[in-house]
Amino acid sequence: AQSVAQPEDQVNVAEGNPLTVKCTYSVSGNPYLFWYVQYPNRGLQFLLKYITGDNLVKGSYGFEAEFNKSQTSFHLKKPSALVSDSALYFCAVRGPSGSARQLTFGSGTQLTVLP
Amino acid sequence: DADVTQTPRNRITKTGKRIMLECSQTKGHDRMYWYRQDPGLGLRLIYYSFDVKDINKGEISDGYSVSRQAQAKFSLSLESAIPNQTALYFCATSDFVAGGRSGELFFGEGSRLTVL
Repeated sequence: AQSVAQPEDQVNVAEGNPLTVKCTYSVSGNPYLFWYVQYPNRGLQFLLKYITGDNLVKGSYGFEAEFNKSQTSFHLKKPSALVSDSALYFCAVRGPSGSARQLTFGSGTQLTVLP
Repeated sequence: DADVTQTPRNRITKTGKRIMLECSQTKGHDRMYWYRQDPGLGLRLIYYSFDVKDINKGEISDGYSVSRQAQAKFSLSLESAIPNQTALYFCATSDFVAGGRSGELFFGEGSRLTVL
């Protein structure tokens, strides 16, 4: 069975500092990996995905994520955090076959950027 | 207007009542989903539908039913609501992408259900 772990329920970072939100996964075969963001009282929004190719994936709002196959990780990063980045972040994974219905989501990490 | 619209956005009901949550989309996607979000548990799939004639159970379908009235409409029903169904419910859509590269979901803004 596939799974996703987001080991930190809460991450606090000062505005202007770099941020990292951690994600590790377990799946059979090559992973399809995703990050979603949820702002207060809103639905989830797609940020970025890794399917194949370059291990560093760039997404919306200046976010990027680094795929590391040996560590089975897909950490979300941003060089300089903004207060408006404060939100709930979800990592998701699925295997190479199937479709979106087979996405497994992590439990979420609440990011707070302090002014 | 939102591409994926859920109604109602908030609902408080009592144990044993029947509740319907509705979802409509203007994205033209064939695939629609209902998820449940609980704090600390992430999102869990309740039901999904790949077209009007195709409905499938997800991870946690017990106590729920769905209806796909049209390509753009997918409703979730709780026949007899119970307190542990108190949660935030999300409808989502996705497009079919050839080559199995799909996975991007488009979410509604959620329906917060409280069962007393």
